[in-house]
Amino acid sequence: DTAVSQTPKYLVTQMGNDKSIKCEQNLGHDTMYWYKQDSKKFLKIMFSYNNKELIINETVPNRFSPKSPDKAHLNLHINSLELGDSAVYFCASSHWEAKNTEAFFGQGTRLTVV
Amino acid sequence: GENVEQHPSTLSVQEGDSAVIKCTYSDSASNYFPWYKQELGKRPQLIIDIRSNVGEKKDQRIAVTLNKTAKHFSLHITETQPEDSAVYFCAARGPWGGRRALTFGSGTRLQVQP
Repeated sequence: DTAVSQTPKYLVTQMGNDKSIKCEQNLGHDTMYWYKQDSKKFLKIMFSYNNKELIINETVPNRFSPKSPDKAHLNLHINSLELGDSAVYFCASSHWEAKNTEAFFGQGTRLTVV
Repeated sequence: GENVEQHPSTLSVQEGDSAVIKCTYSDSASNYFPWYKQELGKRPQLIIDIRSNVGEKKDQRIAVTLNKTAKHFSLHITETQPEDSAVYFCAARGPWGGRRALTFGSGTRLQVQP
């Protein structure tokens, strides 16, 4: 009964490859996010989706493309992977409205580009 | 956009002592301030949060204070225990219609020495 689940947990791939990370939440939240955590532990927002609509697209290379087939899923596709893409990627979800705004995180996907 | 600064970056205390972590934010419209704890290799998890209409909130050994005028908020952990050792992140979130993602501070690595 995991609240926010990501797959895979670990991903090792070569430069130039294309890969996807999947995220699903069963909390009934209407907003989902992708965060990137680099080697220095900085947590930075990449994308935010509310009701399947892209709300935030921070300064992220267009090699990164999120896709939300429905409110419970937000996948992240990365094209032409580069060494600098190595990081831990966290999916998160929350309610949009102010009443209950806690953001729940997935367990993270550690991406290593070699 | 919002900018959150967090200090100190590392903090070492003896078991039983108190620990204080401080954050400042830039956007006076921010109205929600959560604190997350991240253990090694794990996901960030909410430990306490405060909204802008409240000055202080306490939950057992953890308390958070908010000074809206000065735009800073702090986490206080009393009677620290070795299991409190982790990285702690403060965050801020605004009420803006299109910007609901959390902006995180850079993290504080807390080490509690037994």
